[in-house]
Amino acid sequence: DVKVTQSSRYLVKRTGEKVFLECVQDMDHENMFWYRQDPGLGLRLIYFSYDVKMKEKGDIPEGYSVSREKKERFSLILESASTNQTSMYLCASSLRWTVPEKLFFGSGTQLSVL
Amino acid sequence: AQSVTQLGSHVSVSEGALVLLRCNYSSSVPPYLFWYVQYPNQGLQLLLKYTTGATLVKGINGFEAEFKKSETSFHLTKPSAHMSDAAEYFCAVSDRSGGSNYKLTFGKGTLLTVNP
Repeated sequence: DVKVTQSSRYLVKRTGEKVFLECVQDMDHENMFWYRQDPGLGLRLIYFSYDVKMKEKGDIPEGYSVSREKKERFSLILESASTNQTSMYLCASSLRWTVPEKLFFGSGTQLSVL
Repeated sequence: AQSVTQLGSHVSVSEGALVLLRCNYSSSVPPYLFWYVQYPNQGLQLLLKYTTGATLVKGINGFEAEFKKSETSFHLTKPSAHMSDAAEYFCAVSDRSGGSNYKLTFGKGTLLTVNP
């Protein structure tokens, strides 16, 4: 079965720090996504990538950037962490971009910015 | 822009009772529709999806959902709730126009609790 692995389950950072969240998938999927999940707000798309070095903004990209240098790895970068970026971050992948395939999710990274 | 509305952020049922979780979407064309479930401390997993064809879709764990175009709805049901169904459920939509097929818009979620 497809495995999507997020490098950290819990992360605590200070305001102003540069933060890297890493995600790796093991099934050669074309698409990878970063969502943030907040109580009462559901999942909101930050960025997605449909190929190596290709990326598109989602609904809430401000304050974030991404990197996809290899097909299996998709990194989310908080350039200067702020307290309002305290959230659960979920990475997901899907096989192709031509149809809306099933998303496979990682277990999430709970980020706290103090 | 398409949107998804899940009526009721929290639904509570007794074990053995009917589960009904409501989802309405706004889209000018028939969309692709999904239900995902999130168990505590886990990522989301797909329950079922509607793309084309039969409007009644069966998923895992005894859940099913019916696509009703006239009502723009895709409600999730299960005839008899089990304690293990306690989780948060998310409806998601992706319409078929343009190049956005591969990007989902999620609802805000409905937390289901099952009482013994």
